[in-house]
Amino acid sequence: QVQLQEWGAGLLKPSETLSLTCVVSGGSLSTHSWSWIRQPPGKGLEWIGEINHTGNTNYNPSLKSRVTISVDTSKNQVSLKLTSVTAADTAVYYCARGIGDLSSWGQGTLVTVSS
Amino acid sequence: SSELTQDPAVSVALGQTVRITCQGDSLRSYYAGWYQQRPGQAPVLVIYGGNRRPSGIPDRFSGSNSRNTASLTITGTQAEDEADYYCNSRDSSSNHVIFGGGTNLTVL
Repeated sequence: QVQLQEWGAGLLKPSETLSLTCVVSGGSLSTHSWSWIRQPPGKGLEWIGEINHTGNTNYNPSLKSRVTISVDTSKNQVSLKLTSVTAADTAVYYCARGIGDLSSWGQGTLVTVSS
Repeated sequence: SSELTQDPAVSVALGQTVRITCQGDSLRSYYAGWYQQRPGQAPVLVIYGGNRRPSGIPDRFSGSNSRNTASLTITGTQAEDEADYYCNSRDSSSNHVIFGGGTNLTVL
């Protein structure tokens, strides 16, 4: 059964770049698509973007100018970069397998943006 | 862009049936997925493709679709079903993924 684990810096200052990695075990990256979703404290889910099995990406238009999602099949990792963060980017960040229907999720990692 | 609208909160008596709805124009073109999120946990897919259950999801969970509305029905609701439920779909004009605002289900 596939397992996903997110990790990265948990505390950032405004204007810094958020960098998260999702390590995938028990499954092949190259035959699936992958998504990132975030959830601000006490709020609902927000789709960040997705990358399909051919490497094509699709991003939330509200974040598109700042976000990059990539896959490193040699390391079995999916990465998320979000530049120029502000307090509004404070959230739990999840990686998930699939696009649209998200069949497996990581446990999530809290990223706090504060000066 | 499209939106998905859910009732913020719904309650149901233990053992009874509850329907949680999700409305949006994108649902005329795309099926909804449904996710259960218990406090402090990651979401879990409970329905996909409108009415399909992933392996391991109890058969008391079912999904249906009509025009611009998707529904998640829980038959014989259990105490452990108390959670937030989110629908998602794809915006038919932009191809972006959208989530509903979530429904908090209380089991009385």
